[in-house]
Parts: sequence; C-alpha cells; structure tokens
Amino acid sequence: DVKVTQSSRYLVKRTGEKVFLECVQDMDHENMFWYRQDPGLGLRLIYFSYDVKMKEKGDIPEGYSVSREKKERFSLILESASTNQTSMYLCASSLYQESYEQYFGPGTRLTVT
Amino acid sequence: GENVEQHPSTLSVQEGDSAVIKCTYSDSASNYFPWYKQELGKGPQLIIDIRSNVGEKKDQRIAVTLNKTAKHFSLHITETQPEDSAVYFCAAEGNKLVFGAGTILRVKS
Repeated sequence: DVKVTQSSRYLVKRTGEKVFLECVQDMDHENMFWYRQDPGLGLRLIYFSYDVKMKEKGDIPEGYSVSREKKERFSLILESASTNQTSMYLCASSLYQESYEQYFGPGTRLTVT
Repeated sequence: GENVEQHPSTLSVQEGDSAVIKCTYSDSASNYFPWYKQELGKGPQLIIDIRSNVGEKKDQRIAVTLNKTAKHFSLHITETQPEDSAVYFCAAEGNKLVFGAGTILRVKS
C-alpha cells in the first residue's frame, strides 16, 4: 500500500526560527513535491524534485528551500520562519513527472508565532 | 501561466441528491484534469481523472466531463452519501499541475 509520511502533524515555531519539515515515501517514486494549503487558495506548489539532489522552484518558493539527499526523503526548510508562513504543508510523491496520480501525506499544520 | 477557477466554494446537498462542482482553466495546452478528495485530517486523494482526448469518464457514482472548447470541466456525484462530505479540488496540467481553490461539500442526512 502506498504511503507518504510527514514528520509532524502539528508544529509551533517562533518567528526567526529555522524549521525543517520532513517527508518520506515508501513507493520508490522519483518525483516528490511540497505544497502549502491555505483556505480559498487551494494547493500551491513550493518546490519539487525529479531526482535525488535535484530541485526545481514551484510557484511560491520565496522563503523556502529543499533538500533531497535520498530518493525516499524530501525535506522542506524554512530558513527564518515568519508569521505569513503559518499554513498547512503537504508533501506528495508520484511515479511519473506528469499527468499521473500524486500521493499525498497527511500534512503538517505549522503555526509561526 | 495556468489559472484554475472552481465553483462553488461550498455546497450543501441532501443525502441521495446529486452534487456538481465546476472548474474552468485558462491554458488551452492543458491536457490532464484530475480531481482530488480531502477528508478531514487527511491529505488529498485522487478520485478520478480525465485526459484531453476524452470527453467524459465515469466510475460508479462519480463522473467527470470535459469541454475543451469552453475550457471547463465538471465533477458529478450522484446518490450522495454522508461519506462524500469532504473538500474537493480540481486541477489542470499543461506544463505543470495547478489546483483550484477547493469546494467544501456537505451531505446532510
């Protein structure tokens, strides 16, 4: 059974802190994605990766970076958290780069105070 | 770039009734249109998708229609049940996948 796990369901951080969100998939997928979900805005792509050590900017990469050292793991990093980064963060993986199902993790609700 | 608009933002129906969610997209090059369902506390899950060479696709109580000329596509759920209550997202993919804002569907029993 396909599984994408995220390290935390809820996270509270202070402004200026460095934040790491971890995502692991057990499907041997090459493609992994980070989205943020906000009410009324749907899912917006932050970064994605088509291979180990490879990353591409999505629609809203400002204030974020990513790391993909192993195929199964994709990390999202907030270098200096700000209150406008309070959101739900969703990780996903996919077998193919395009036109194929994405499998999502349960999400991390991040609050920056 | 691609822009996807989704309506309505909330939808309440009586159990057994039908529900329809509509989306429009801007990029005529888009050729893949998935629908995701997100239940409370979970990540979105693909429920049905359609590609540009197909006008309609059905899977049990769920159907999706695509009108490429008008650049809109719709999700139809028949005989709604309480477990259909969730947030539904449409998406369109040309050179990248872009999601709509979501529709909160409430099925009242």
